Amino acid sequence: GQNIDQPTEMTATEGAIVQINCTYQTSGFNGLFWYQQHAGEAPTFLSYNVLDGLEEKGRFSSFLSRSKGYSYLLLKELQMKDSASYLCAVSPFVGYQLTFGKGTKLSVIP
Amino acid sequence: DADVTQTPRNRITKTGKRIMLECSQTKGHDRMYWYRQDPGLGLQLIYYSFDVKDINKGEISDGYSVSRQAQAKFSLSLESAIPNQTALYFCATSDRLGGEQFFGPGTRLTVL
Repeated sequence: GQNIDQPTEMTATEGAIVQINCTYQTSGFNGLFWYQQHAGEAPTFLSYNVLDGLEEKGRFSSFLSRSKGYSYLLLKELQMKDSASYLCAVSPFVGYQLTFGKGTKLSVIP
Repeated sequence: DADVTQTPRNRITKTGKRIMLECSQTKGHDRMYWYRQDPGLGLQLIYYSFDVKDINKGEISDGYSVSRQAQAKFSLSLESAIPNQTALYFCATSDRLGGEQFFGPGTRLTVL
């Protein structure tokens, strides 16, 4: 089976840094995705990790440790528009469908 | 133009009615998916199709059926809608490797 855990909600201050964690237990591992989803809108792709380490893309970075079954999404210089849900998704095998976590709702406050 | 489109965007219907939600894509992807999303439950996979002749049940397929009319079109039907099918429904596509998924804008369905 596949199991993905993320915190349900987080709150952070505008301008700060926040780290959203994701742990997974899956029957295989081919890659991990992070998506951003604003309320009532479609999820949009943020990042993809297949190898251990940090992938940086502007204000957003994503880290993966395959041996620990762990990833995090790091958001720097938070802006109000970053208030959204962040979904972690794992591809257990090449060609297999993704399994999504329940998402972390991030609220950015002034 | 959007790569993945869904119609209708909003629908209110009554218990027992048959409803069809449609999805079209111009990305040329082989794979298409239907998800429902309820508050606090994340994305739940209803059905997925790896090509026109391949349809598979997801984790919550009861009460739903699908039709893959062409590579670009994948429809979701609720044969007899019930109130607990009130949710936000998303269609998504991916290429043959099954990696990144691209989502449509969603259909908000309310069953009274």
